[in-house]
Amino acid sequence: SSELTQDPAVSVALGQTVRITCQGDSLRTYYASWYQQKPGQAPVLVIYGRNNRPSGIPDRFSGSSSGNTASLTITGAQAEDEADYYCNSRDFSANHGFGGGTKLTVL
Amino acid sequence: QITLRESGPTLVKPTQTLTLTCTFSGFSLSTSGVGVGWIRQPPGKALEWLAVIYWDDDERCSPSLKNRLTITKDTSKNQVVLAMTNMDPVDTATYYCAHNTYYLGNNHFDYWGQGTLVTVSS
Repeated sequence: SSELTQDPAVSVALGQTVRITCQGDSLRTYYASWYQQKPGQAPVLVIYGRNNRPSGIPDRFSGSSSGNTASLTITGAQAEDEADYYCNSRDFSANHGFGGGTKLTVL
Repeated sequence: QITLRESGPTLVKPTQTLTLTCTFSGFSLSTSGVGVGWIRQPPGKALEWLAVIYWDDDERCSPSLKNRLTITKDTSKNQVVLAMTNMDPVDTATYYCAHNTYYLGNNHFDYWGQGTLVTVSS
């Protein structure tokens, strides 16, 4: 399955901007999707494709990609954004994979 | 409105086969570009993709679990079934099913079930 690498933890001051990254060879060809998961809840899709947000996701969430790295940026982080974030993508065999997750702390 | 719900045993014994059913509504698995996948999460750990099946009957399973997994669909019942053989305590996890949208060679899981906790213990 797709091998994706994320930093285990990131912190951001309230109202500041934070970038969460995901690295993997498959990202040179395929887009990553990003999921937010809060304790005891199912994951929620926040970014997919080039930079698309599902209905209901605030526009402070955005996505980008360069080379083998995909990024999720939160511009003006809020307390409710504190959560685990996972990237996902397919590989060249059409298998999927998730990154190891990044725990975001909002200070 | 798309919804998915996982069902199956909450407790299985080591070496047994786990069978989970995902019952969904609000979409058809015969519609082009649609799939249903299974993802699990051991307590306190990361998400792990298990398998996905698509509208055109294409299916993919995690290479690391391929010998233990079977995914099937029943379009008329709006159900997808995942079977995992030879269960072990390390397979204890919350198992999620999710709607997958496939387009232009990319896909994402845009709707998720609430998940079901499966414990493997004798």
